[in-house]
Amino acid sequence: QQKVQQSPESLSVPEGGMASFNCTSSDRNFQYFWWYRQHSGEGPKALMSIFSDGDKKEGRFTAHLNKASLHVSLHIRDSQPSDSALYFCAASEPDTNTGKLTFGDGTVLTVKP
Amino acid sequence: DPKIIQKPKYLVAVTGSEKILICEQYLGHNAMYWYRQSAKKPLEFMFSYSYQKLMDNQTASSRFQPQSSKKNHLDLQITALKPDDSATYFCASSQEGGAREQYFGPGTRLTVL
Repeated sequence: QQKVQQSPESLSVPEGGMASFNCTSSDRNFQYFWWYRQHSGEGPKALMSIFSDGDKKEGRFTAHLNKASLHVSLHIRDSQPSDSALYFCAASEPDTNTGKLTFGDGTVLTVKP
Repeated sequence: DPKIIQKPKYLVAVTGSEKILICEQYLGHNAMYWYRQSAKKPLEFMFSYSYQKLMDNQTASSRFQPQSSKKNHLDLQITALKPDDSATYFCASSQEGGAREQYFGPGTRLTVL
């Protein structure tokens, strides 16, 4: 079983709308989570990290973490066509010294003008 | 200017041959990583190096050998190439090892015929 599971597989929202992504870990060792975004033909780029329970907001992006359920979500408000990309959830162990990130399969976001 | 350089961008190889993927980072980071992304699997951690020392190796095959000649270089040598090795290989780096934001390069797309 994959340790980091994302849903939905794909998502389409109108410009200006809200895009929401979900991620669940099956490994309780994973306590640190990141959201990465990958535009076509490029490498992934980190959007934000979340290590504590609750919400974390950075501009149009809000992440939420529930450590008890190992569920993390990402919400993008006022979505723009430039937000169209592949979004990954990534997790790591808090005391790792290897830097290993475990990624989910990703969610494809399409923002329609 | 790109901060992480990967060469070449595209690479075509024949089964059984050997190739070296080049990665250089100019972010002043001390930790570097290799990940693989294929159509069949999500982004998959391969190796991590910190201060030019191997920290973690998650590849099952010895055909994959990282090479760190300088602090800001981490090349990947792949021997006895197989069609299943076809994937995009991403180099990444971070300030230190451990739970840090990782910065990814543009990737090398390898096709093995």
